[in-house]
Formats: sequence, C-alpha cells, structure tokens
Amino acid sequence: AQSVAQPEDQVNVAEGNPLTVKCTYSVSGNPYLFWYVQYPNRGLQFLLKYITGDNLVKGSYGFEAEFNKSQTSFHLKKPSALVSDSALYFCAVRDLAVFNNDMRFGAGTRLTVKP
Amino acid sequence: DSGVTQTPKHLITATGQRVTLRCSPRSGDLSVYWYQQSLDQGLQFLIQYYNGEERAKGNILERFSAQQFPDLHSELNLSSLELGDSALYFCASSAHRGRNTEAFFGQGTRLTVV
Repeated sequence: AQSVAQPEDQVNVAEGNPLTVKCTYSVSGNPYLFWYVQYPNRGLQFLLKYITGDNLVKGSYGFEAEFNKSQTSFHLKKPSALVSDSALYFCAVRDLAVFNNDMRFGAGTRLTVKP
Repeated sequence: DSGVTQTPKHLITATGQRVTLRCSPRSGDLSVYWYQQSLDQGLQFLIQYYNGEERAKGNILERFSAQQFPDLHSELNLSSLELGDSALYFCASSAHRGRNTEAFFGQGTRLTVV
C-alpha cells in the first residue's frame, strides 16, 4: 500500500527565513501528492497538490512544493515564513496503481515560526 | 468553511458505550473518508465509501463500523468504547472517484471516553 513519511516531528524557523517541511513517499505506481495544514482545534485545510506536469507546484498562502521523482520526495517550501504559518502540516499520497482511492497521510510535522 | 459537516463537535461518554458520529459531505461529493487523529498516532485512515459502497479499509477496529446512506451522508459507529478510543475523528469528502482531487475535511468530532 502507499505510504508517506515525514521525517521531522518538529521544524523551527525564524520569521522571515525560508522554511522547508520534508515529505517522502512510497507507491507502486505514479503518485498524486497533497499537502494539508491543520490549525489548533480545526480540520485539515488543503494547501496544494501535484498531479502531473511541472514539478514545482504553487499553492495557498505563498506555499509551494517540489516533486522529485528520483528521490520520491515532495517537500513543502515557503521563501519567507510568517508567525501565522505555525501549525501542523500533513503530506498525503494516492497511488495510481491502486484501485482503491484512499489517501494516506504522514504523521505530521509541527512548524513553529518564531518572531 | 470546507462544506463538510460533522456532528456532534464534542462527545463525552463512558467506557463500554456506543456512539454514532455523523458526516455530511460537500454537495455532489460521492466519496467519504473517515480518519482518526490521536496524539501519539497521527492521522490514521479508517475507511472510505464511494456512492454507498465500501471502497477501502484502513486501520479500523472490528468494534467500529461505518456506512454511507443513499443521500450520501455517512455515519461512523464506535462500540464497546475504551479509553484509548479518545481521539479526534475526521470525515472528509472528495468528488467522483476523485483520485486527482483533494479531499475536504470537516471540523472533526472530539470523542472523550471516561
């Protein structure tokens, strides 16, 4: 089955600095990849997705992610972090080779942006 | 607002009891997913329904069951509850078979078993 790994439980960044939240995936076919953000006491909000085409995907709130097939990675990035970006971030994957349509999530990475 | 509605928002119940969580998907979405989020285990996929039929099963306990009704709303039934079942339960929906579409999440139901 498809799986996702987020190797860092916690990422700390100073406001104004670039941020990266890492994600690697494992699928038997081609992947559809997604990033979600969760603020305290809220549901997950969709940020961006990679389906096909350009490896650099732009999403909401200035976030972008780079798909790297050879490294099976889909890291989330932002050029200049804001304190309001502090939240829990989840990477997710669907495997095109698998009939069933479920989306599998990583364990999440807590991003803290300090003023 | 994602368009996915979950009720109730909070639920406190005793061990051994049974509860039902309800989810109304976004208008037109045929797929419904249930996830459990606990502090130590992240977001765990439980089960997926598509247009009333079970499509995929994840780490769902035998004490848990779900169904999707003809009007596409879904219910997650949790029985013989244990303290360890305390968690946030999320419902999500997506369009069609929607493999290239994102899922939209409800606000969750926080279940506390005492």
